[in-house]
Amino acid sequence: QKEVEQDPGPLSVPEGAIVSLNCTYSNSAFQYFMWYRQYSRKGPELLMYTYSSGNKEDGRFTAQVDKSSKYISLFIRDSQPSDSATYLCATTSFSGYALNFGKGTSLLVTP
Amino acid sequence: GAVVSQHPSRVICKSGTSVKIECRSLDFQATTMFWYRQFPKQSLMLMATSNEGSKATYEQGVEKDKFLINHASLTLSTLTVTSAHPEDSSFYICSARVSSVTSQGEQFFGPGTRLTVL
Repeated sequence: QKEVEQDPGPLSVPEGAIVSLNCTYSNSAFQYFMWYRQYSRKGPELLMYTYSSGNKEDGRFTAQVDKSSKYISLFIRDSQPSDSATYLCATTSFSGYALNFGKGTSLLVTP
Repeated sequence: GAVVSQHPSRVICKSGTSVKIECRSLDFQATTMFWYRQFPKQSLMLMATSNEGSKATYEQGVEKDKFLINHASLTLSTLTVTSAHPEDSSFYICSARVSSVTSQGEQFFGPGTRLTVL
């Protein structure tokens, strides 16, 4: 079993929809959780960085971590065509250590 | 801030040649840099962890003599693919960890280098 599981999609939504992206993980030692956005043939861009359980909001993006169920989510409000990309969840046990990535979910927001 | 660059962005070479990829943190110091490779429609797979001034730590299954890593300064790490073969064709991405007392150890990624070996 991979340490981080993520549905690869693709996920297609109309512009303006609320998008929910999710990952599960197996290692209870993980306590740092990240979401990256990756456009085709580009490097990943850090969107959200959270520690332990709870919510974090930044503009249209909300990251949620539930350590009791080992479940992490990213919500995108008022989705835009420019949000079309692959979204990767990542996690690690210690700050600054190598990341364990999910496979990435491909998102398409249609006008 | 927190910009990481990679050079070259794309390289095509003949089988048997060596290719050097540079990863630079432009506006911060990075004691630790990571090298990943990514195949089409796959996630990032960690190849090695590079610490400034010391030998890199390679993941299981990654040949250290084939993928030479040098981290000579706090802003530069290089990955050299020696005697490249077509199966080495991939997207190579580096990341750099922010080293400061105020950071949480966030990692920022470079734009990637697409290597094609003919």
